[in-house]
Amino acid sequence: GAGVSQSPRYKVAKRGQDVALRCDPISGHVSLFWYQQALGQGPEFLTYFQNEAQLDKSGLPSDRFFAERPEGSVSTLKIQRTQQEDSAVYLCASSSATSGSFHEQYFGPGTRLTVT
Amino acid sequence: ILNVEQSPQSLHVQEGDSTNFTCSFPSSNFYALHWYRWETAKSPEALFVMTLNGDEKKKGRISATLNTKEGYSYLYIKGSQPEDSATYLCAFIGGTSYGKLTFGQGTILTVHP
Repeated sequence: GAGVSQSPRYKVAKRGQDVALRCDPISGHVSLFWYQQALGQGPEFLTYFQNEAQLDKSGLPSDRFFAERPEGSVSTLKIQRTQQEDSAVYLCASSSATSGSFHEQYFGPGTRLTVT
Repeated sequence: ILNVEQSPQSLHVQEGDSTNFTCSFPSSNFYALHWYRWETAKSPEALFVMTLNGDEKKKGRISATLNTKEGYSYLYIKGSQPEDSATYLCAFIGGTSYGKLTFGQGTILTVHP
């Protein structure tokens, strides 16, 4: 079956531009996570959705970052007025569980954002 | 702030060698530990979800052990093959009920033919 997909796979933005990154989770998966991986580091949590509800946005680095999942399926991560430090791989993951400790998360291939 | 550390950061081995890497994590408030393999230009792929102290899991030539009391997990690869070349990530879940992952920085494995 189809896995998690993300688009675009690569995005180059000029500093100050707004970008929107899309995630299509596995159909029926309730939980959706966004992670950010900077060069040389492990992925870091950004935000979590359970269906359409954003239950945790504690990892969003600034108010320039905004995420939504209006119908409980597709999610969009928006970054306003991009800065060079936003350059990273943005990973989306989905899971069928709501209490997810014992359930694997299925990851998309990521969007590599480069801010010039 | 949760601290998840992996070592070594990178590793070069010859085809046929066996190898292992370490993941250390907080020993308190443990829920689960995940291992992922991430090949270049692909999606991270789950290898193991480990929940019980003393857990040992195996998938082909790859196996993992878990010690929650001392806060470490080992990943072993027996008879490495070039296709095992990837970044291996461990991720800790503690203190939340919905599965938020805290990752280590990863071990980059390169297997030379």
